[in-house]
Amino acid sequence: DAKTTQPTSMDCAEGRAANLPCNHSTISGNEYVYWYRQIHSQGPQYIIHGLKNNETNEMASLIITEDRKSSTLILPHATLRDTAVYYCIAGDSNYQLIWGAGTKLIIKP
Amino acid sequence: SQTIHQWPATLVQPVGSPLSLECTVEGTSNPNLYWYRQAAGRGLQLLFYSVGIGQISSEVPQNLSASRPQDRQFILSSKKLLLSDSGFYLCAWSGAFREQPQHFGDGTRLSIL
Repeated sequence: DAKTTQPTSMDCAEGRAANLPCNHSTISGNEYVYWYRQIHSQGPQYIIHGLKNNETNEMASLIITEDRKSSTLILPHATLRDTAVYYCIAGDSNYQLIWGAGTKLIIKP
Repeated sequence: SQTIHQWPATLVQPVGSPLSLECTVEGTSNPNLYWYRQAAGRGLQLLFYSVGIGQISSEVPQNLSASRPQDRQFILSSKKLLLSDSGFYLCAWSGAFREQPQHFGDGTRLSIL
C-alpha cells in the first residue's frame, strides 16, 4: 500500500490558489515527500520535494507540517493547464517510491 | 539540459509476440534508470531499476526483463507477450543520490491483442 493518502478529486477556480493535501502519518525521519503530476496520456512531471522544511520553486510551494505527518502542495495561481492527476509520494530512496492513485485536480474557468 | 527519449509512443502486438522498448537519456552520466507500468486509473508500479551498466534489479516477478547495455540506454523486453502485459510503460531517470527526483519519458501505450 502507498504510504500516503490523498483526496480522490478536487476542483479549483482558474486564477485561485490550488491547495492539495496529503497525509503521510507513518512517514519516517529519513523519508522525503515528493510531488508529481500527470497530464492525461503523458509521463509524470516532477514538481517539488522536501524533507522537513517548506520548499518553493517556480512551479509550486510545498508546506510540510512540523510533525511531518502531512503536507500541502500549493499552486499559487492555477491555470487550466494545471488540470492533472497530482501524486504525493513518500520514500527514502528514489527506487522505493510507492505510487498511489493521486488526486485528480480540475481547474474550472 | 537532460532529456529522456522513449519509443515507440504506441504499440499494438499480438499475444505471444516478442517486445522491445527502448529508452535513452541525454545530458547526464551514470543515471539511475527505471521502468514502470501504469494500469488505467492507477498509480505507477516499478518494474525494474538500474544503478549502472549491467546492473538490473527486478521489483515484480513477471513476463518481462530489462537490460542496460550502455550507460544511458535502458531496454524492456519480453520473449512472449501475454494479454496482461497491456498497459502504459514509462521510463525514468534520476541522479545517483537516493533522494534525487525522477524524470519521466512520454511513455509507450502497449496493447496486446
